[in-house]
This record gives sequence, C-alpha cells and structure tokens, in this order.
Amino acid sequence: DQQVKQNSPSLSVQEGRISILNCDYTNSMFDYFLWYKKYPAEGPTFLISISSIKDKNEDGRFTVFLNKSAKHLSLHIVPSQPGDSAVYFCAASVGDNQGGKLIFGQGTELSVKP
Amino acid sequence: EPEVTQTPSHQVTQMGQEVILRCVPISNHLYFYWYRQILGQKVEFLVSFYNNEISEKSEIFDDQFSVERPDGSNFTLKIRSTKLEDSAMYFCASSENRPNFGPGTRLTVT
Repeated sequence: DQQVKQNSPSLSVQEGRISILNCDYTNSMFDYFLWYKKYPAEGPTFLISISSIKDKNEDGRFTVFLNKSAKHLSLHIVPSQPGDSAVYFCAASVGDNQGGKLIFGQGTELSVKP
Repeated sequence: EPEVTQTPSHQVTQMGQEVILRCVPISNHLYFYWYRQILGQKVEFLVSFYNNEISEKSEIFDDQFSVERPDGSNFTLKIRSTKLEDSAMYFCASSENRPNFGPGTRLTVT
C-alpha cells in the first residue's frame, strides 16, 4: 500500500536555512492532508494541515503547499531551527477526518545542524 | 493543553497471551483511533471508534483485536492471543477536527 510516499528518508539542513519536505500521493480521493512531527519515544504531533480546496496554508514558520494536479505536497520550514530535528510524516485522508483513517507516508528524518 | 495518555508505556508479553492497552482520550473528543507502527515501517491505521461502535477498521484489525470504551474516559485495545508480529508501537488518538496522538505503548511479544 503506497498511497502516500515520502521518497526522501532523510534531509540535513543548516540552521536558519529552509527545509523542504516532500510528499506524493496516488489516491485522487484524498482531500485532506496533514503533517505530523515525531520525536523518538513520543507519539506524532500535529503540525499543519491543508484541505484540497486550498493550495497553501501557513502557520508561523511552517507552510504547506498542495499541487493537486501533480498529487504532490510539500512542507516548508523557514527558518529551520535545531529543535525542528525530528521525523516528519505526511498523512492523507478522504473527508475532513471526522472519524476517517489517516494514511501515512514513511516519514522523512530532518536534521537541522547548528 | 489537554493530551491523550496511554498506559503502560512498555508491555512485554509471551506469544499467545492476551494484552490490553489503555488510553485516555481528550475529554471532549468524540472520535477515537488506534494506530500501530512496526519498527522501521509506516504508521498504520487499525480502527476508528465513534458513538460506542467501530466506524472503520483495517485488514490488520482481525478477530484477534477488539476495542472498548468501558466507561466515560478509557478507550482500550485488546489483543486476544498475541503473535510475534504484533510487536510494535501502538498509538491511541482522539479527534475533534484532526487526530491527536498519545505517546504510544511499546508492545514486545516474545
């Protein structure tokens, strides 16, 4: 089941620069997308989401871009900070996730170097 | 900020034994979930629960699994007869508009 794919298992970025994490999906029925951040030995923590009726959503240093025609979304973190070092998961669902399941990507481990 | 809590943090059990994983969802949330992550693999959906019944379940959630909301606060996942391949992190989540995950229970089946 590869409906949601994060093709980069890891990413290393210098502090202060931009981090760009990518995610692709295959199911055109997905209409709600989320990014979660996960530290070791903790559960995923919600970061930001986007509905398919939008192409951009911004929250502080985090911006998610959605390209529906390419079935691609990306998370931009600007400026990156060492505390951002974690595994980032992209997830998708059908509907606004009131009770629906999330399909997760494999995760990208971000390392932000001071 | 309210959080989802899970107990125990780590459970070791022998193959064939029953285990119950416990979760306390965020109090005003109406949707509850269990997910799991086998080491090195994706986070996978197991089951969602709403209005005291299962609303959706995955192929993984077979007859060995069951969920219950025994009182107004707890939400449990029971595995009747554990197998080695059930070893994983199990995450509970609750949702008002998007799932909030608990810290997980690491289940080790020996």
